[in-house]
Amino acid sequence: AQSVTQLDSHVSVSEGTPVLLRCNYSSSYSPSLFWYVQHPNKGLQLLLKYTSAATLVKGINGFEAEFKKSETSFHLTKPSAHMSDAAEYFCVVSDLSGGSYIPTFGRGTSLIVHP
Amino acid sequence: SQTIHQWPATLVQPVGSPLSLECTVEGTSNPNLYWYRQAAGRGLQLLFYSVGIGQISSEVPQNLSASRPQDRQFILSSKKLLLSDSGFYLCACPEVGRTDTQYFGPGTRLTVL
Repeated sequence: AQSVTQLDSHVSVSEGTPVLLRCNYSSSYSPSLFWYVQHPNKGLQLLLKYTSAATLVKGINGFEAEFKKSETSFHLTKPSAHMSDAAEYFCVVSDLSGGSYIPTFGRGTSLIVHP
Repeated sequence: SQTIHQWPATLVQPVGSPLSLECTVEGTSNPNLYWYRQAAGRGLQLLFYSVGIGQISSEVPQNLSASRPQDRQFILSSKKLLLSDSGFYLCACPEVGRTDTQYFGPGTRLTVL
């Protein structure tokens, strides 16, 4: 069985400062890992994904995440926050089950960016 | 690339009324389709997924049901809505060429009063 834990329900930063959103996972196999972003009343947009290639994954809007197998972590970072980054972020693990990929979502981290 | 349409965008319904939410997909054929619910302040909960016409797998017991009458159509229904059915309902399918990556529709905001 797979699971995802997003360690912070809210993260508050000032504009221009670094962002760290934490995610730990558990999975029986070699999983695919994702980060999605959701702006208010919108669908989810893929930020980045890890699928057993490079452990440091670069995504859109300056975000990146590092896969650390020994720590079962996939934390999302950005060097400098922008006001437009304020949104809900979801960490996702996806494993094959019965021939289909079934994703498991974390509960989400709300990123608040102060001017 | 594919496009997902969800209808309606917003819906306000009284408790005990029926529900029908529609999801249609363009740009891909025979996709796996998924229904998620996002309740206020909570993450996404997978409700149903379908690997083909007439094939529905339920992930959680509830008063909702799903049907897939056509290859690219996925419908979420209820005979009698509960207050707890309020939430943001998202339809998704795998990205074309990347079966492990979910592509999401714009969602339907359901409020049950």
